[in-house]
Amino acid sequence: DAGVIQSPRHEVTEMGQEVTLRCKPISGHDYLFWYRQTMMQGLELLVYFNNKAVMDDSGMPKDRFSAKMPNASFSTLKIQPSEPRDSAVYFCASSSQGRGQPQHFGDGTRLSIL
Amino acid sequence: DQQVKQNSPSLSVQEGRISILNCDYTNSMFDYFLWYKKYPAEGPTFLISISSIKDKNEDGRFTVFLNKSAKHLSLHIVPSQPGDSAVYFCAASVGYSSASKIIFGSGTRLSIRP
Repeated sequence: DAGVIQSPRHEVTEMGQEVTLRCKPISGHDYLFWYRQTMMQGLELLVYFNNKAVMDDSGMPKDRFSAKMPNASFSTLKIQPSEPRDSAVYFCASSSQGRGQPQHFGDGTRLSIL
Repeated sequence: DQQVKQNSPSLSVQEGRISILNCDYTNSMFDYFLWYKKYPAEGPTFLISISSIKDKNEDGRFTVFLNKSAKHLSLHIVPSQPGDSAVYFCAASVGYSSASKIIFGSGTRLSIRP
């Protein structure tokens, strides 16, 4: 079975440019999560969806970040305009409904903003 | 303010010996705890979990211990193998439904030396 698929794997762009990160969750999973990993903060939750609806986006800087899930098999995280402090590894994860269901992570997108 | 703390950024253990990774938390509402393992350039993978009604959970070479009064948990790996070299994230949540927000620590890099 295919796991969570993220693209691109690496992105290097200049400050001020728009960046779009993409995620395909595991088929049948109802929950989708976007995390950011930095050296200082570890893994921090930005936003998560349940059945395509945003459930919690309190960790996401809303002035420049936006997340969408137009269908059950695709989600995007967009940064506009990007800033050097956004440089990090962004992970997408998905899980199925139920107690104790673990989250399955993609391999991440390494984002560098110059 | 970090609610889940892994105070040792790195740990080196000889192959065959026991590896002990530690984690402290501050939120007394946490009742579900997880460990994830991460290899370079890959996403974290779920390793083992424990709910607050238990003080120990074992899965093969991996055992997690929970001390609620001390707000402390640890992961024991016995015996340690070269493939165990990875970054280990401790995580916690209030509740263990798929909608429960998981808070991750900053990780401990475990190196198993020959």
